[in-house]
Amino acid sequence: DAGVTQSPTHLIKTRGQQVTLRCSPKSGHDTVSWYQQALGQGPQFIFQYYEEEERQRGNFPDRFSGHQYPNYSSELNVNALLLGDSALYLCASSGGQGALGYGYTFGSGTRLTVV
Amino acid sequence: DAKTTQPPSMDCAEGRAANLPCNHSTISGNEYVYWYRQIHSQGPQYIIHGLKNNETNEMASLIITEDRKSSTLILPHATLRDTAVYYCIVRSKNNNAGNMLTFGGGTRLMVKP
Repeated sequence: DAGVTQSPTHLIKTRGQQVTLRCSPKSGHDTVSWYQQALGQGPQFIFQYYEEEERQRGNFPDRFSGHQYPNYSSELNVNALLLGDSALYLCASSGGQGALGYGYTFGSGTRLTVV
Repeated sequence: DAKTTQPPSMDCAEGRAANLPCNHSTISGNEYVYWYRQIHSQGPQYIIHGLKNNETNEMASLIITEDRKSSTLILPHATLRDTAVYYCIVRSKNNNAGNMLTFGGGTRLMVKP
């Protein structure tokens, strides 16, 4: 049973560019959350998608947007990249029990470097 | 969600018990204590959770004080593979609390041979 799959694992972008990160949730999970983790810090919640809609959002600007497809996979898009967007981007999937706090499965993340 | 305080780093000898403390003095009655860990180059992994009773599973034990203002995660026989950042998270169990996990800085546990 595959866990959460994220792609790509690493990428380098230039300031001002746009990037799309992808996530396939664990089998049986229907909810996808995205987190940003700066070096040396804990993950910070960006937003969560359920039934193809953004259900909750953290304190991130509109440059960060997402999408969820009918097969529950998800994309994170970041426009007008800034140097400060360099981070590890984590995807977490969950089922109904995800709301209970212990049902989250995380991927290994995408390391984004903005130069 | 209640705020948590953890020491930034700890060392533990291989084979010994690792005791990781967490302070959550503002925890409310319906909030659970969750522990996740993040091994280098991986995403966080769920370990254990509890409300007020001590809990044990195949990975660890969780001891919560009677006043629930602090807790300790215990890895009974730490191995080198337990070297990771450990996050203590306090959150309500139900949907009304929102659906995200709020991570602090965690404790970086180094298990040494």
